[in-house]
Amino acid sequence: DIVLTQSPALAVSLGQRATISCRASQSVSTSSYNLMHWYQQKPGQQPKLLIYDASNLASSIPARFSGSGSGTDFTLTINPVQADDIATYYCQQSRELPLTFGSGTKLEIK
Amino acid sequence: EVQLVESGGGLVQPGASLKLSCVASGFTFSDYWMSWVRQTPGKTMEWIGNIKYDGSYTDYAPSLKNRFTISRDNAKSTLYLQMSNVRSEDTATYYCTRKGITTDWYFDFWGPGTMVTVSS
Repeated sequence: DIVLTQSPALAVSLGQRATISCRASQSVSTSSYNLMHWYQQKPGQQPKLLIYDASNLASSIPARFSGSGSGTDFTLTINPVQADDIATYYCQQSRELPLTFGSGTKLEIK
Repeated sequence: EVQLVESGGGLVQPGASLKLSCVASGFTFSDYWMSWVRQTPGKTMEWIGNIKYDGSYTDYAPSLKNRFTISRDNAKSTLYLQMSNVRSEDTATYYCTRKGITTDWYFDFWGPGTMVTVSS
């Protein structure tokens, strides 16, 4: 199985940039696609898709969210961070089955 | 508006069976692959499996394949998860999800989830 590693938590000041990383145990990229996706989960709610294929913004997601990366290293950036962004962020790979998720990064405000 | 609403969770004894349902609305259910994903109390997310839009094909996480079965009724816009011989480690919130429109496997909509607790 492909293991996705995320840092447990990140503290950022409001209005600053947050950079959340996800490292895969093997490449999740093909010649055409980077098969990494990002979700936001607020307390007591279901996850919401933010980014698909590493860098594509999902429908209705604000442009302050962006994604990048290829191969084994991927990044979700939130700039600027707003109070409403307090949540846990998960990455998920679809390069091969079983589909796997990272353990999540909890975004906190300094 | 796309909506997915799960039901059927609750307290169940080890070794028992349980069937979860997910009613979909706001889109043409029969056009989409669907999946189940669960989240443990410790917040670990685990993919359970997928089912093709017409119900003719399924994939499962290898560790769950022998105990869990995914099915669907397109006439009722309903997705199912049959769980058998449940164990304490099956305690989780179970989410019904819709596969995104592209060829890649991501989940563009999630239901609010139904909680399953396995305990004697």
